[in-house]
Amino acid sequence: GAVVSQHPSRVICKSGTSVKIECRSLDFQATTMFWYRQFPKQSLMLMATSNEGSKATYEQGVEKDKFLINHASLTLSTLTVTSAHPEDSSFYICSATTDREAHGYTFGSGTRLTVV
Amino acid sequence: AQSVTQLGSHVSVSEGALVLLRCNYSSSVPPYLFWYVQYPNQGLQLLLKYTTGATLVKGINGFEAEFKKSETSFHLTKPSAHMSDAAEYFCAVSDTGGFKTIFGAGTRLFVKA
Repeated sequence: GAVVSQHPSRVICKSGTSVKIECRSLDFQATTMFWYRQFPKQSLMLMATSNEGSKATYEQGVEKDKFLINHASLTLSTLTVTSAHPEDSSFYICSATTDREAHGYTFGSGTRLTVV
Repeated sequence: AQSVTQLGSHVSVSEGALVLLRCNYSSSVPPYLFWYVQYPNQGLQLLLKYTTGATLVKGINGFEAEFKKSETSFHLTKPSAHMSDAAEYFCAVSDTGGFKTIFGAGTRLFVKA
């Protein structure tokens, strides 16, 4: 079946630095990738939708200059948290699909970001 | 606009007992409905989905859910709980365009020995 690889699984960074999270579709071409954020004991909140070769669409309230999304190829999307602060600490999850009509969404295993 | 309400943030059952996780949705268009499971520090795994056709949907690990339009519900059930079923379960809805998936708040399932 479809596999989405997300890397790193855990990262600790210092306040003020930037962190890049990768989301790769391993055995299919993902036309659309989604980035979610999940706070402890809460649901997933959609941050942005990215389509290969075009600018990401951000949800209301998500700072696009803080959370940079690049979807340069059909198998890779990256989320860069710029100038990270402790309040950015969270669990970030990506999902990818190649067949929106059939809703074939596959999720990555998530990235636990801790900003100290 | 679409929304999902999961009744009960925590559900506890005994091993071998029936599992029932409740989900109600709101949608102005015919919805696509999903149940996902999440284990600690992991991503989400699709249990089952309803798009069109048969309203009783069977998924993995013995789970099933029934789409009831009149009740705007999509409850998840499993006849006999296993210890390995202990996890967080999310109900989700998206529109037929499939552009965006909205997740419920999640229900934590505890299974007692």
